[in-house]
Amino acid sequence: AQRVTQPEKLLSVFKGAPVELKCNYSYSGSPELFWYVQYSRQRLQLLLRHISRESIKGFTADLNKGETSFHLKKPFAQEEDSAMYYCALKVYGQNFVFGPGTRLSVLP
Amino acid sequence: NAGVTQTPKFQVLKTGQSMTLQCAQDMNHNSMYWYRQDPGMGLRLIYYSASEGTTDKGEVPNGYNVSRLNKREFSLRLESAAPSQTSVYFCASSIRDTSGNTIYFGEGSWLTVV
Repeated sequence: AQRVTQPEKLLSVFKGAPVELKCNYSYSGSPELFWYVQYSRQRLQLLLRHISRESIKGFTADLNKGETSFHLKKPFAQEEDSAMYYCALKVYGQNFVFGPGTRLSVLP
Repeated sequence: NAGVTQTPKFQVLKTGQSMTLQCAQDMNHNSMYWYRQDPGMGLRLIYYSASEGTTDKGEVPNGYNVSRLNKREFSLRLESAAPSQTSVYFCASSIRDTSGNTIYFGEGSWLTVV
């Protein structure tokens, strides 16, 4: 069955420190993975997707099919990065499965 | 450039009352969704509609009904609200384009059932 796991509910780092938010998936098909971000009481917004291999707001993520992972990384965290981050997997048709989310708190 | 709009933003219901959450998108997307967001549970799919005239159950459909009124609108109805349905509800729509697949969300509806 398709599933997305994010092992950390809360991740706290200091400003300027590197950050890595973990995401693992299980899916028998060819995976298409995304990271969505939700700032306080706002709608979820697309941060990046693996198919584009882009860097948004300093964040990058690489799909590792061997480890079935799509971890989100940023070398130097900023206070404005504090938010809820969701990893998502597109499955059959136009369906998306979301992980439980990781709350990132960047401390001053 | 509204994107996905949903109403109401906040609602308090008594147990047993009914209500409908409205959602509309102006991006000409075929697929639309209703998710609920609960602490520690992330986003769980309630219902989705792959295209106008079709609807399918998601992970947590019990206690809900949906209507895909036309391509733009996808409503979620609670026939007899229960405290377990206290949650934040997100409507979304998606498209597959040259950049791949993207899902767009509304701002959310905070529902409390007392």
